[in-house]
Amino acid sequence: GAVVSQHPSWVICKSGTSVKIECRSLDFQATTMFWYRQFPKQSLMLMATSNEGSKATYEQGVEKDKFLINHASLTLSTLTVTSAHPEDSSFYICSAGGLGGYEQYFGPGTRLTVT
Amino acid sequence: DAKTTQPPSMDCAEGRAANLPCNHSTISGNEYVYWYRQIHSQGPQYIIHGLKNNETNEMASLIITEDRKSSTLILPHATLRDTAVYYCIVRVAGNSGGSNYKLTFGKGTLLTVNP
Repeated sequence: GAVVSQHPSWVICKSGTSVKIECRSLDFQATTMFWYRQFPKQSLMLMATSNEGSKATYEQGVEKDKFLINHASLTLSTLTVTSAHPEDSSFYICSAGGLGGYEQYFGPGTRLTVT
Repeated sequence: DAKTTQPPSMDCAEGRAANLPCNHSTISGNEYVYWYRQIHSQGPQYIIHGLKNNETNEMASLIITEDRKSSTLILPHATLRDTAVYYCIVRVAGNSGGSNYKLTFGKGTLLTVNP
């Protein structure tokens, strides 16, 4: 299957700072990328859908000004958590689609801890 | 997307077949059944998908009932590395890109393979 990477794999930051997470499709062009968040012992919750070259579509309840998404190329999408707070600590996962097939491929996830 | 119902947990002996059920009684005619799994602290992994015919790949088999209201994922020879949360998801057919084709994760089934 196709490979999706995320960087960093884990990050610790102080409250009030911003953190950028990168999601890359390594061997295919992803017209659409999805960003999920997963709290401990819970399922994945979709945060937003990102289409290359256009604004992201956010799910209800997700603050677009706090979670900035950029999808500037067919292989890279970024999620920036602005003014992070401890309640933003979570596992952030991206996925990529657009192969012309029916699968979405997921990245390995980024563990964010805000102190 | 139609909702799915899965048992919260199952156990299986190593080397035996693991049969994971999923109910999707409100599935529409243009919706596929997808299975993903998530090993602890990793991103989800695509397993298999199908519309109405049974499907098999190197990882698993998918059996869909004739009325399409339920399905079973079969891992023919479970190993300890198959211990994971398995998600059954229904989604409209078509290219995996675009916000119309987002995946909605339920709580899944925690499969524990025992030695």
